Amino acid sequence: ETGVTQTPRHLVMGMTNKKSLKCEQHLGHNAMYWYKQSAKKPLELMFVYNFKEQTENNSVPSRFSPECPNSSHLFLHLHTLQPEDSALYLCASSQDQLETQYFGPGTRLLVL
Amino acid sequence: GENVEQHPSTLSVQEGDSAVIKCTYSDSASNYFPWYKQELGKGPQLIIDIRSNVGEKKDQRIAVTLNKTAKHFSLHITETQPEDSAVYFCAASPNQAGTALIFGKGTTLSVSS
Repeated sequence: ETGVTQTPRHLVMGMTNKKSLKCEQHLGHNAMYWYKQSAKKPLELMFVYNFKEQTENNSVPSRFSPECPNSSHLFLHLHTLQPEDSALYLCASSQDQLETQYFGPGTRLLVL
Repeated sequence: GENVEQHPSTLSVQEGDSAVIKCTYSDSASNYFPWYKQELGKGPQLIIDIRSNVGEKKDQRIAVTLNKTAKHFSLHITETQPEDSAVYFCAASPNQAGTALIFGKGTTLSVSS
C-alpha cells in the first residue's frame, strides 16, 4: 500500500449521470494530482493541487470538475461524460510538486 | 516544455536475462528522474529514482543510469523473473515551480519462464 486510497475502484455510468471519484492520502503530503490513463497512451496529467490551491489544469474539459477541500482529500466530479472518457483515473500525491509522486490504485471508469 | 521519449514500447525476455529500457528528455534543466512499475489492476509504484548529481544508482537487481550530456537515462533489470512482468514508466521533472512530472509512454515487459 502506498498510503493513497481511491474510491470507487470501478464505476460504470451513463452519459447523463453525475458521479464523483474520491482520493485520500495518509502521507502528510501537500500536493495532489489527477491523471487519466487510456489504453496505449501515456499518463495524462489533468489537475494539480498544491496546498489546496489548483496550480495546473491541462486543458481538461469542463465536464471534469476537481475539488480539494484539504490537503488530504481530492475529488473529481464527473457530469455528462462521453464514451471516450472511459479510462483508468489515477490519483497521486507528493510532498511538494517537484518530489516523488505516490499513486493510488485508480478508478476504472466506463462510460456507456 | 519537457518531452520524454521511452523505448522500446514492448520488451520480451527469458527468465534470467537482463532487460534495458531507455528514455530521453528534452529539457536540460530537468534534474529528477523516477521509474515506476505498474502491474495489472494497480497504480504505478515507484521502484527507483535518480537525481542529476549522480550518474548511476543501484537497488538489488535494478539500476538506473543517467547521461546528462546526452539527456538520456536507462533502467536496467538483471536476472529477470516472471514477477518483473509489468508496464514500466520513466518520468522527468522539469525543475520548475508549478509543474509536475512528465511521463514516457511506458514499456510493457514480459518475462517468460
